[in-house]
Amino acid sequence: EDQVTQSPEALRLQEGESSSLNCSYTVSGLRGLFWYRQDPGKGPEFLFTLYSAGEEKEKERLKATLTKKESFLHITAPKPEDSATYLCAVQGSGNTGKLIFGQGTTLQVKP
Amino acid sequence: SQTIHQWPATLVQPVGSPLSLECTVEGTSNPNLYWYRQAAGRGLQLLFYSVGIGQISSEVPQNLSASRPQDRQFILSSKKLLLSDSGFYLCAWRRDRAHYGYTFGSGTRLTVV
Repeated sequence: EDQVTQSPEALRLQEGESSSLNCSYTVSGLRGLFWYRQDPGKGPEFLFTLYSAGEEKEKERLKATLTKKESFLHITAPKPEDSATYLCAVQGSGNTGKLIFGQGTTLQVKP
Repeated sequence: SQTIHQWPATLVQPVGSPLSLECTVEGTSNPNLYWYRQAAGRGLQLLFYSVGIGQISSEVPQNLSASRPQDRQFILSSKKLLLSDSGFYLCAWRRDRAHYGYTFGSGTRLTVV
């Protein structure tokens, strides 16, 4: 059964304090690993897609990496506006396009 | 450009009342459509998905049902709501370019009282 586990559940950082969020997964035939950002009361917003081990993607202060068993979302010198819940999801083999989500990491960046 | 609309944004319903949430997609044809529920402090749980008109797959047994009467319309329903149906309901569609995974609607906050 496809499964995604994110850690930590919550993370508090001071502005400028870099850190990483973890996403561990088990999936049959990985077709893609996705990172989303979700602000309170809103739908998730797409950040990155990673397809194969060793792949990296960057966007502003965020960098996502992928291994065969986990993905990391690195946040460099975060700002208060980076505060949000970050969701990881995987898509396995099959044509339905179903995504299996982790429970998310809620990040709070204090000024 | 493709857009997804979901309404209402918030809903407060008594236990035992019916439910109908609607989701429509514009600017694409034959999309894969999904209903997710997000309980407070938890991840997204897939409820239903549809790969075409009239084709509905249920992921978990529950008090809800889904229908797809038109290509770009996806409806989530219940005949009698339970307290446990409260949550944040999200509709999503899969873009032609799978690179982006899903595009989500803005969500409906349902509170059953």
